[in-house]
Amino acid sequence: DGGITQSPKYLFRKEGQNVTLSCEQNLNHDAMYWYRQDPGQGLRLIYYSQIVNDFQKGDIAEGYSVSREKKESFPLTVTSAQKNPTAFYLCASSLRGAKNIQYFGAGTRLSVL
Amino acid sequence: DAKTTQPPSMDCAEGRAANLPCNHSTISGNEYVYWYRQIHSQGPQYIIHGLKNNETNEMASLIITEDRKSSTLILPHATLRDTAVYYCIVRVNQGGSEKLVFGKGMKLTVNP
Repeated sequence: DGGITQSPKYLFRKEGQNVTLSCEQNLNHDAMYWYRQDPGQGLRLIYYSQIVNDFQKGDIAEGYSVSREKKESFPLTVTSAQKNPTAFYLCASSLRGAKNIQYFGAGTRLSVL
Repeated sequence: DAKTTQPPSMDCAEGRAANLPCNHSTISGNEYVYWYRQIHSQGPQYIIHGLKNNETNEMASLIITEDRKSSTLILPHATLRDTAVYYCIVRVNQGGSEKLVFGKGMKLTVNP
């Protein structure tokens, strides 16, 4: 079954803790993205990667880190430097190119204990 | 910043056509218009996209005005499951990369 898988669906973070959100895709897409969504708001781009071993900061990268060691995987780490991490996190992937249709995972909801 | 403006909300009766407007007056000649929707607590779902010609697929139709400054997404027979936030998006070029910028979207409520 092709698609984008995010895990876990719900995640809780303690103060001062780093947590990692998983995103895996089997669509053979080159580009992958991480977005943050706060209640009643649109999506904001955190990081994106157009190709393996390369990634770029989005609009709100502070307090987050990513890696792209494999084409299929683009994990997001929410570090302790992110003071307001409670949000809905969405991962997406797309083929490279002008049409850039992004396909999204089901999301991870992160809360702070 | 999003390059599109949408009304914040809209209601539609079940079974009727839902016409969702979007303004994108600063769109450039080679920029596509995309529509996504997001059902509560789920990831956004791609609906349709277009450049200047009208487009239709199994989900919806997209009508783009001749001057390309606005468009309308049409759901021909709205169902209760079409209740969602709909995003009209124009790609922006930031730092040499093409990105989708999601605004707040428009909440469509389909009523029985």
